This record gives sequence, C-alpha cells and structure tokens, in this order.
Amino acid sequence: GQNIDQPTEMTATEGAIVQINCTYQTSGFNGLFWYQQHAGEAPTFLSYNVLDGLEEKGRFSSFLSRSKGYSYLLLKELQMKDSASYLCASMDSNYQLIWGAGTKLIIKP
Amino acid sequence: GAVVSQHPSRVICKSGTSVKIECRSLDFQATTMFWYRQFPKQSLMLMATSNEGSKATYEQGVEKDKFLINHASLTLSTLTVTSAHPEDSSFYICSARLGQGIYEQYFGPGTRLTVT
Repeated sequence: GQNIDQPTEMTATEGAIVQINCTYQTSGFNGLFWYQQHAGEAPTFLSYNVLDGLEEKGRFSSFLSRSKGYSYLLLKELQMKDSASYLCASMDSNYQLIWGAGTKLIIKP
Repeated sequence: GAVVSQHPSRVICKSGTSVKIECRSLDFQATTMFWYRQFPKQSLMLMATSNEGSKATYEQGVEKDKFLINHASLTLSTLTVTSAHPEDSSFYICSARLGQGIYEQYFGPGTRLTVT
C-alpha cells in the first residue's frame, strides 16, 4: 500500500532551527513535495525534490534520500509566521500526489 | 506563479439543497484539476481527478452521484454537492495542474461549506 508518515505536531522556538521528517512508500516515485498550510487556508508550494540531496531555498531547505524513502524539511531562523501545518506529499507512478497527514508546527517566542 | 481561484469562499446552505463550487485557473490552461476535502485537523483527502472533456475519476468511497464534477473547459471545473447533509460540511479545495507529468499543483483558496 501507499503510505506517508510524518509527525503530528512539533514545537520550536523563534529564531531556532527545526527539521520535519517524512517517510514515504508509494507505487512508483516521481518526486517529493512539501507544502505549507496556514489554518483555514489552502496549501502553498514550498519545495520539490526528485534527486537525492539537499535543495536550499532561503530559510527553507528540503532533503531527499530515495533509497531510504525519506525526506525532511529544514526551517532556519524560525519566525512566528512559520507557525503552520507542513504537508509532505509523494508523487506516484500515475503522477498522483499521496499526502501525509501534515505536521503542525508551533513556534513559541 | 499560476493563480487558481475558487468561488464562493464560504457558503452556508440548508440540508437537502445543492451547492456548486467553481474552480478557475486564471492565467494558465489546466488539463487536470483535482478536488480535495479537508476536515478540521486532518490532511487533504483527494475526492476526484478531473480532466477537461472527460468524466472525472473518483476516489474509492466518494459518491459520484453526490459530488458532481464538470470540467467544462481548460480553465473551469465545478463541483456540485447534491442533497447536502451536515456531514458534508468541510473545507473543499481545488487544485490545477498544467499537464500530465511532473508538474506542481496550484491550489485554490478553498471553500468552506457549512450545511445546517
């Protein structure tokens, strides 16, 4: 079966660094997406990885290891506005996104 | 980036009535649109995949006669919730993709449906 696992909730301090992990098992693999979703709003695209390694984009970085079925999203210099849910999604062989349940990130001052 | 709009953003309707939600890609042609439902504190649940000019493909457990999807053009897809019940109250989100293959999905702002 297809499965995406990520922690339900994480807490971090403003200015700090946090890493949100995601493991996936899908029928085929065409890349790993990370989306940010604020409460009551639609998801917004953060990153896409299809090759192994780290992709850096400003304060956010995303890592992929295809052999381990593992990805993480790294957020640096945390700001209060980063409080949101972070959704991991794997694209399967049919180009369908298989979504994780999301990780709610709580930022404390 | 590509923009997807949804209308209405919020709707309250009485049990037994039908509600239509529109999803439009404003600055690109979307060969494929997706309809999701999200209950509070839960992840996105794909309801159906809609390809322009063909019948929508529904996910297991989603009633196609209750959730009518019409992808009339490359920029418009509609979801009609027929004979709505309180348990249909949810956040409905559409997304659009440029084409087959590895393309990012662009999400609409969502529609909050409340059935009383």
